[in-house]
Amino acid sequence: DVKVTQSSRYLVKRTGEKVFLECVQDMDHENMFWYRQDPGLGLRLIYFSYDVKMKEKGDIPEGYSVSREKKERFSLILESASTNQTSMYLCASSFFGIGSYNEQFFGPGTRLTVL
Amino acid sequence: KNQVEQSPQSLIILEGKNCTLQCNYTVSPFSNLRWYKQDTGRGPVSLTIMTFSENTKSNGRYTATLDADTKQSSLHITASQLSDSASYICVVPFSGTYKYIFGTGTRLKVLA
Repeated sequence: DVKVTQSSRYLVKRTGEKVFLECVQDMDHENMFWYRQDPGLGLRLIYFSYDVKMKEKGDIPEGYSVSREKKERFSLILESASTNQTSMYLCASSFFGIGSYNEQFFGPGTRLTVL
Repeated sequence: KNQVEQSPQSLIILEGKNCTLQCNYTVSPFSNLRWYKQDTGRGPVSLTIMTFSENTKSNGRYTATLDADTKQSSLHITASQLSDSASYICVVPFSGTYKYIFGTGTRLKVLA
């Protein structure tokens, strides 16, 4: 079974803190994604990585950065957390190639609250 | 504009009843559409993929249809169970890119 794990299910941080969200997949997938999910807005892509040390901005990268030092691990970093970054964060992975038929496998999500 | 719209936003049905969820898309060019089920507090899990040439596909009590001419897909759930309570999300890849266009989902609640 494909497994995508995220470091925390729930996280509470204060405004201005640096926040690290970790994602690990065990299927040797090349592609990894970070999304945020907010009610009524659907999933929005923050960052995407198609290889180690490679990254591309998604639709809402402002206030976020990412790191992919190893193939199986993709980290999302909030440099200075703000209250409008309170959200559910979902990591996903898939095999290499332009998306079309590649199923994305999602982690369980991290619900981040910024106070 | 490339969009995926789902209806209804939410739905409540009694256990054992059938229901149909709708997905309309304007993503072009189109190659496939995928339905995901997302349980509360969990990540989405793929139910089925519909490719351009497919009209109907079943996965247990779930049956997906696709009409590429009208750019509509539906997910029909037969003999609903309490465990079907979840959000159902329709997703279309943006061809030639790594991006996916997500619908906002239909939240289904099945009552005993």
